[in-house]
Amino acid sequence: GDSVTQMEGPVTLSEEAFLTINCTYTATGYPSLFWYVQYPGEGLQLLLKATKADDKGSNKGFEATYRKETTSFHLEKGSVQVSDSAVYFCALRKSNFGNEKLTFGTGTRLTIIP
Amino acid sequence: GAVVSQHPSRVICKSGTSVKIECRSLDFQATTMFWYRQFPKQSLMLMATSNEGSKATYEQGVEKDKFLINHASLTLSTLTVTSAHPEDSSFYICSAGPRGSYEQYFGPGTRLTVT
Repeated sequence: GDSVTQMEGPVTLSEEAFLTINCTYTATGYPSLFWYVQYPGEGLQLLLKATKADDKGSNKGFEATYRKETTSFHLEKGSVQVSDSAVYFCALRKSNFGNEKLTFGTGTRLTIIP
Repeated sequence: GAVVSQHPSRVICKSGTSVKIECRSLDFQATTMFWYRQFPKQSLMLMATSNEGSKATYEQGVEKDKFLINHASLTLSTLTVTSAHPEDSSFYICSAGPRGSYEQYFGPGTRLTVT
């Protein structure tokens, strides 16, 4: 079945450091890929997405590129801030439609220290 | 963007009682809603897919008689945890996507504590 493998955390970085959170997937066909963020005490929010190979999703300084050849969708940010402290989830969906289920990775807890 | 609400946000109940959690799409119609369970410091585990006007589809290992799902309208799905036990304590999250839309929106979650 479909699965998402995510870099285990927790990850602790200093402010302005470079961030990479690795994510690889296993799925048949051409899934859509997502990064969701969960801030403390809140629900999940979509951070960025990519729907086909070589697409780059970006938002709030975060980027991830859909790499079909390596089945990866690594999350990167050039300079993190304290406000980026949250749990980040990589996810995939088999179709482009919102009424299809998502398969999540285990989540990576990120803490940014001043 | 679209909004999905959940009620209550927190609930504490005694072992053996039942508790109902509501999930509403506030500004769109959702033929399908999803119920997830999140354990502390772990990922979201899909429990079931709630289909308006028909029976829910449960994931393997989820007891359908314990976790009753009703999707009575295009804007409301309910999850009832029957005869709750302490091991049912968890964070329950719903999500929904507008019909024909690419997006899926998550509710803020409900923290259930069974004492």
